[in-house]
Amino acid sequence: EVQLVESGGGLVQPGGSLRLSCAASGFTFSSYWMSWVRQAPGKGLEWVANIKQDGSEKYYVDSVKGRFTISRDNAKNSLYLQMNSLRAEDTAVYYCAREGLVLYWGQGTLVTVSS
Amino acid sequence: NFMLTQPHSVSESPGKTVTISCTRSSGSIASNYVQWYQQRPGSSPTTVIYEDNQRPSGVPDRFSGSIDSSSNSASLTISGLKTEDEADYYCQSYDSSNHWVFGGGTKLTVL
Repeated sequence: EVQLVESGGGLVQPGGSLRLSCAASGFTFSSYWMSWVRQAPGKGLEWVANIKQDGSEKYYVDSVKGRFTISRDNAKNSLYLQMNSLRAEDTAVYYCAREGLVLYWGQGTLVTVSS
Repeated sequence: NFMLTQPHSVSESPGKTVTISCTRSSGSIASNYVQWYQQRPGSSPTTVIYEDNQRPSGVPDRFSGSIDSSSNSASLTISGLKTEDEADYYCQSYDSSNHWVFGGGTKLTVL
């Protein structure tokens, strides 16, 4: 069974940093593209970034380019999102997702950017 | 870049059939696969349709997807509505830069 467990969310002040993690199990992690998708409170889904199996290709939504960095450690079956220069508009639940024919989602971790 | 436009909300009675549209603003709807996700209140999204019209295992055949080039739109149809189908539904596709594009979501009420 595919399992994705996010962690690392919390309350951070504007301008601060957070690192999200996603622990994957139940599939061969190194064989799949992985993504981060976020959902602001009461709003729709927004794709944030994704990364190729070997980490050689990474893509970002324009609003986070230069501030967020997606990475992965295939030996640890883990996906990461380093978030710097956080803004109030980054407040959201962040979901880790496994790409492929069928997208699998984690349960999400809440990031709140507020003073 | 393009946008995917969905109706904000739809409602229908149990046992009936409902169709949710997803219209692409520019470029052909057929140029990139469309996926549909269901998100029940307080839960993570789950995939109900992938590659325009394919159902993951475990998704009832009451759920079906299609695309229509004449209207440049994709549709999710749910037949034999059940109260458990009440949820938000999102369409999603890809642009030429391998970026994902989501529709704004449709709230389905089964009353």
